[in-house]
Amino acid sequence: GQQVMQIPQYQHVQEGEDFTTYCNSSTTLSNIQWYKQRPGGHPVFLIQLVKSGEVKKQKRLTFQFGEAKKNSSLHITATQTTDVGTYFCAGPNAGNNRKLIWGLGTSLAVNP
Amino acid sequence: GAVVSQHPSRVICKSGTSVKIECRSLDFQATTMFWYRQFPKKSLMLMATSNEGSKATYEQGVEKDKFLINHASLTLSTLTVTSAHPEDSSFYICSASLRGDTQYFGPGTRLTVL
Repeated sequence: GQQVMQIPQYQHVQEGEDFTTYCNSSTTLSNIQWYKQRPGGHPVFLIQLVKSGEVKKQKRLTFQFGEAKKNSSLHITATQTTDVGTYFCAGPNAGNNRKLIWGLGTSLAVNP
Repeated sequence: GAVVSQHPSRVICKSGTSVKIECRSLDFQATTMFWYRQFPKKSLMLMATSNEGSKATYEQGVEKDKFLINHASLTLSTLTVTSAHPEDSSFYICSASLRGDTQYFGPGTRLTVL
């Protein structure tokens, strides 16, 4: 079945270092979405990418959607302790595009 | 905009009792809401899609008689965990779509069954 894979599963960085998480879909996606879940919290929508090769920035966060629309990445420049949390990517279910197929998430820990 | 509330935030109950969790879209109408379950340090597991005015669509392996979903209005969906057992203890989160497939999540309900 349709799958979204995400790596790495965990990442520990020193504050100020960069961080990247990668997302790969088994199928071509109409869009890819990224969410952040803080420890003890709920997922919060960050961004949606729609176009092939699209790059979007939110302050220190850079999101990319691959040319084939099957992979994506989230890069954080100069991490801060406020970046701690789990980052999930998700893409629409091919059979029902209101449902999302979720990656397993990348948990980011930042040492001050 | 796109605020989703969930109640209660925490509930502790005895084994065998039923627990109802409410999910409300506060500033928009949601024809579709989703119910997820999340185990500690794990990803989101979709349990069911709640459709206003019709029966919920359950994911494979989710018992519909165990997890009753009602979506009686465009702003409210409820999940009732019937005859709860300790293995039902988990973090239950609802979400709603404002437009397209982007989802806005409620704050979640942490259920502990003793």
